[in-house]
Amino acid sequence: EPEVTQTPSHQVTQMGQEVILRCVPISNHLYFYWYRQILGQKVEFLVSFYNNEISEKSEIFDDQFSVERPDGSNFTLKIRSTKLEDSAMYFCASSLPDSANTGELFFGEGSRLTVL
Amino acid sequence: AQSVTQPDIHITVSEGASLELRCNYSYGATPYLFWYVQSPGQGLQLLLKYFSGDTLVQGIKGFEAEFKRSQSSFNLRKPSVHWSDAAEYFCAVYNNNDMRFGAGTRLTVKP
Repeated sequence: EPEVTQTPSHQVTQMGQEVILRCVPISNHLYFYWYRQILGQKVEFLVSFYNNEISEKSEIFDDQFSVERPDGSNFTLKIRSTKLEDSAMYFCASSLPDSANTGELFFGEGSRLTVL
Repeated sequence: AQSVTQPDIHITVSEGASLELRCNYSYGATPYLFWYVQSPGQGLQLLLKYFSGDTLVQGIKGFEAEFKRSQSSFNLRKPSVHWSDAAEYFCAVYNNNDMRFGAGTRLTVKP
């Protein structure tokens, strides 16, 4: 069964460093998402991406964050200069195109980011 | 804007007892509704979903949920809880490529 894969599963970084989290969505999906879950808290929407551009973003997704689909298969989340409060589990998700989009997002296993 | 409320932060039930986790949503039309489960250190696993039709939906692991439009609710139920059901449960509402999650309910199962 096709699945969303994320790398790395866990990354430890120093405050101020740049981090790139990678995701490979399901191959025929066209919508891509990043969500964040700070330890013990709810899953929060960061950004959605369609047709090579951001379609929606939350207030969390500030100028320190960016997303890219560099090669048609990977979908990346970059944090330019990490802060302690960026420590969280980051989930990538993908979904089908509009005509068949029944709302089901397929989530990856998550990438845990620890900022020291 | 759509939102999801899970009133219970933490629920403890005995193994073999029945379970109901509450979820209320706020949205003008009928949204698509989901329940996800997250075991410690794991990702999100879809338990079940409601799009339309029969308001009682069956999911994996013996879970079911009932959509009640009049109450704006989509409560998750299981007749007999197993120790392996201990996890965090998230209700979610989806509309127009936007999925929002509730705060989650942590389930503890007593032996």
